[in-house]
Amino acid sequence: EVQLVQSGAEVKKPGESLKISCKGSGYIFRTYWIGWVRQMPGKGLEWMGIIYPGDSDTRYSPSFQGQVTISADKSINTAYVQWSSLKASDTAMYYCARAGRSGEVATIFDYWGQGTLVTVSS
Amino acid sequence: DIRMTQSPSSLSASVGDRVTITCQASQDISNSLSWYQQKPGKAPKLLIYDASNSETGVPARFSGSGSGTDFTFTISSLQPEDFATYYCQHYDNLRSFVTFGGGTKVEIK
Repeated sequence: EVQLVQSGAEVKKPGESLKISCKGSGYIFRTYWIGWVRQMPGKGLEWMGIIYPGDSDTRYSPSFQGQVTISADKSINTAYVQWSSLKASDTAMYYCARAGRSGEVATIFDYWGQGTLVTVSS
Repeated sequence: DIRMTQSPSSLSASVGDRVTITCQASQDISNSLSWYQQKPGKAPKLLIYDASNSETGVPARFSGSGSGTDFTFTISSLQPEDFATYYCQHYDNLRSFVTFGGGTKVEIK
């Protein structure tokens, strides 16, 4: 069974750093792109970027380029997104999702993590 | 950049109603469009891909159609468990880009 399990909720202060994770199982993790999607409170879905764990090839949405860093460790089947200096506007639910066609960078998302709620408040 | 305009942003309907949601692309995207359902507090769930193909296990009352710039998502007979928010998604493998529509919240009338 394919599963993506994300790290738990975080409460941080503005200016702090953060790294959240997404661990895949039930499939060959390194062969499917993993994407990250932001959902701000009461708002829609926004695609942040995507990484191929096999070689760490990463693509970013222009809206998120320079704002976050997406990475992966294929040895432990885990993808990450990190912030070096959080802002209140980073408060959101963050989802990881598997790109459903092996090797295709921009495609459907067939499996999703449960989400990680990040709250940034002073 | 390709923009996806989804409408309406919300609608009220009764159990048994036929519900239609549209998604319009700012330029021709062929059939690179999918539809997701999201219930409160849950991750999105893939329903339709490549504009008209149903994901395995998705009830037959959900369907999608269209190509080019205009797409439609239909629930043929709304069930109580279908009250949720629905999103279209365009995927561009050539440009390595994904974009979502703004969402349609389907509420109980």
